[in-house]
Amino acid sequence: EIVMTQSPATLSASLGEGATLTCRASQNINFNLAWYQQKPGQAPRLLIYRTSTRATGVPARFIGSGSGTEFTLTISSLQSEDFAVYYCQQYNNWPPGDTFGPGTKVDIK
Amino acid sequence: QIHLVQSGVEVKKPGASVRVSCKTSGYSLSNYGVYWVRQAPGQGLEWLGWINADTGHTNFARKFEGRVTMTTDTSTTTVYMELRSLRSDDTAVYYCARFKWLGDYYFDSWGQGTLVTVSS
Repeated sequence: EIVMTQSPATLSASLGEGATLTCRASQNINFNLAWYQQKPGQAPRLLIYRTSTRATGVPARFIGSGSGTEFTLTISSLQSEDFAVYYCQQYNNWPPGDTFGPGTKVDIK
Repeated sequence: QIHLVQSGVEVKKPGASVRVSCKTSGYSLSNYGVYWVRQAPGQGLEWLGWINADTGHTNFARKFEGRVTMTTDTSTTTVYMELRSLRSDDTAVYYCARFKWLGDYYFDSWGQGTLVTVSS
């Protein structure tokens, strides 16, 4: 079973600042990683798949990178609507199982 | 346009069962599965299981085996998740999400969530 970890658990940042979130997999998942954003009271929303491909309508300030076991989501300049919880998810091994990381909360400093 | 629309709020007593529906539209069930997760207050995403909405093949998290059932009504393109023997720690928002069958199984469309409260 592949275990996903995320760091930090909470990231405090100011509007306009950059933010870097890290996701690690317990074994090689190649480029099979997605990122989701969840705001209070809403369902998660797909942001990025295949490590770096932005989903439809996702702003260019969201940048995914990495491979193998270490991945990052960078938000280049935080906007008010970006304060949320971010989850990573691996999809390297079939069938799907417990695939999500524990999440990183991005809040306002 | 792809939509997954879930049923409404449920309040149940301990020991009861709950059935949550997930009405799908805008795509073919034969190419996708439906994955269920839940989120307890202030917590992360916990996997319950998934169903191939076309064939009915299911796979459940070990924690829920024996207590969860997932079914599909292909005539209405609706997927159902039933959880039995409810306990207070089953209180959570339950989400359905679609994933590509035998493909890259990231979740590109989600239901809006169903709050299930278990309380005596």
